[in-house]
Amino acid sequence: KAGVTQTPRYLIKTRGQQVTLSCSPISGHRSVSWYQQTPGQGLQFLFEYFSETQRNKGNFPGRFSGRQFSNSRSEMNVSTLELGDSALYLCASSLEGPGANTGELFFGEGSRLTVL
Amino acid sequence: AQTVTQSQPEMSVQEAETVTLSCTYDTSESDYYLFWYKQPPSRQMILVIRQEAYKQQNATENRFSVNFQKAAKSFSLKISDSQLGDAAMYFCAYRFSGGGADGLTFGKGTHLIIQP
Repeated sequence: KAGVTQTPRYLIKTRGQQVTLSCSPISGHRSVSWYQQTPGQGLQFLFEYFSETQRNKGNFPGRFSGRQFSNSRSEMNVSTLELGDSALYLCASSLEGPGANTGELFFGEGSRLTVL
Repeated sequence: AQTVTQSQPEMSVQEAETVTLSCTYDTSESDYYLFWYKQPPSRQMILVIRQEAYKQQNATENRFSVNFQKAAKSFSLKISDSQLGDAAMYFCAYRFSGGGADGLTFGKGTHLIIQP
């Protein structure tokens, strides 16, 4: 079974631009969540989607947004990029349903965003 | 809000020896999951071990075991017979197990060095 796939793996943007990152979850997983990892702040929760609905959101400005499609694939978008948005963005999926809630998240390899 | 604290930024152990990584957390909930994730230099986060708060028995996965003290809100990871492949960042994480749960709350991580 294929793991969580994130694209692109690396990208460089300039301040003020926007970026879209993509995540394909493990087949059958309907929950997708996003995390930002930086040396200073560590790993921080961005948001979680389940069956195309945002179920929860972390403490990030409105420039950070996301969505989930009917096939459970998810995208996150960051508009008006700032230098501080440089980070590794991790996507994770989980299997949820009757008798299947283990709480475990399966992570992708991440998208490394550099803002110049 | 829940918090997770890892007080050891870096630990070093000789190959084949045993090492214990510390983690404390704070929550007002009674039902939750605790995890230890490993992030090697390749960056992909891998689950090492998980513990459900309602279970008194400590989880064990081969050379990895935890010491879960619910009243003390402590969740340490013991790695026995350390191997070079165990070198990585280790993150302790918490997740509420209720419906519409937030994402994972991570500690800042412990960098584990294995001395050959």
